[in-house]
Amino acid sequence: DAKTTQPPSMDCAEGRAANLPCNHSTISGNEYVYWYRQIHSQGPQYIIHGLKNNETNEMASLIITEDRKSSTLILPHATLRDTAVYYCIVRVINDYKLSFGAGTTVTVRA
Amino acid sequence: ETGVTQTPRHLVMGMTNKKSLKCEQHLGHNAMYWYKQSAKKPLELMFVYNFKEQTENNSVPSRFSPECPNSSHLFLHLHTLQPEDSALYLCASSQEGQGAEKLFFGSGTQLSVL
Repeated sequence: DAKTTQPPSMDCAEGRAANLPCNHSTISGNEYVYWYRQIHSQGPQYIIHGLKNNETNEMASLIITEDRKSSTLILPHATLRDTAVYYCIVRVINDYKLSFGAGTTVTVRA
Repeated sequence: ETGVTQTPRHLVMGMTNKKSLKCEQHLGHNAMYWYKQSAKKPLELMFVYNFKEQTENNSVPSRFSPECPNSSHLFLHLHTLQPEDSALYLCASSQEGQGAEKLFFGSGTQLSVL
């Protein structure tokens, strides 16, 4: 039961902003949007999460549409080390389960 | 360094062997998880422990046996595995009960079953 839809892959240029889209049209009011990434052969790494407001931290920005049916993860200045699989996940508040889909394979090119 | 340490990093075992994967978290979290990631497949949740009690067993075959002696340590005991069990096994931890928990993952154990 896929709750999110992401493009399978995308390329971006080093030093430019990378905008990663995610559709979650069936999201409920009690579900957060989380983003994780997984660099090759490592465990996933938490990036950011949000409920309905836009969020920013030292790694990225998360823009959630007003109807909450889609979101965009923004890496402001992509580097080669940002090459990874990026996962967009919706998760019910206080539910410990985190279900990963196929994600978007992002390749940052010099 | 995520605060979650997994050993060994790589493991090769025969189908008749018995081995154990170890996970230790240094974050003071109260929940720990085992995930499996087969080649070119999404991560699959296997087991969840909350305050040392198993709260989730996602229809995992009995040849995988988890153990959580305390909230900082988690083991996955393996016996009579099959070649299709070859995968990256990931441990994670989180602090449950705060509403918007983040999972912290270890680097995983790459398991090959011959």
